[in-house]
Amino acid sequence: GIQVEQSPPDLILQEGANSTLRCNFSDSVNNLQWFHQNPWGQLINLFYIPSGTKQNGRLSATTVATERYSLLYISSSQTTDSGVYFCAVVGTTDSWGKLQFGAGTQVVVTP
Amino acid sequence: NAGVTQTPKFRVLKTGQSMTLLCAQDMNHEYMYWYRQDPGMGLRLIHYSVGEGTTAKGEVPDGYNVSRLKKQNFLLGLESAAPSQTSVYFCASSLRTSFAGELFFGEGSRLTVL
Repeated sequence: GIQVEQSPPDLILQEGANSTLRCNFSDSVNNLQWFHQNPWGQLINLFYIPSGTKQNGRLSATTVATERYSLLYISSSQTTDSGVYFCAVVGTTDSWGKLQFGAGTQVVVTP
Repeated sequence: NAGVTQTPKFRVLKTGQSMTLLCAQDMNHEYMYWYRQDPGMGLRLIHYSVGEGTTAKGEVPDGYNVSRLKKQNFLLGLESAAPSQTSVYFCASSLRTSFAGELFFGEGSRLTVL
């Protein structure tokens, strides 16, 4: 099946800093989503972005499908940005379209 | 707009007991999924449903049963709970198959089996 690698595994930021999270995948995809799991365990949709660029407030994401990677940008980070960020993809060769999750990037934003 | 709602949020069971987790969505989504999340294992698909009255096995279906009698509800049952089923369970739904559709998750249900 498709492999999803996220980097870095851990990230410590001071409030106000910018950061970039990366998601590499091993095959062509039809679906790519970014999620934020907050410290309370909730999984929150950030972006549905199989290709192109999207922005939502301080967050933006870019997927370059032909080069098999996606980037999540966090600007002017806040303590509420802490948590785990997951990238999840569906490979074009998957039989029914199972969403494959990466291991996540643990982000800690300090005041 | 409630989105995807799971009940209960927390439950403690003894080995051998049974229970049912309920997932309800109000977005008229066709597809619904049950995942479990364990430390170091990420999210793994247990069962899924592509429409009312239909269910299918995911990656880790053993020890679980599901039913989708109504489009808006997807039930996950444990007939005889085991400590290995201690986990956080997430329900999700999508308008279309996850092949091309955006998944929305519930808040999770933390289950402990003693």
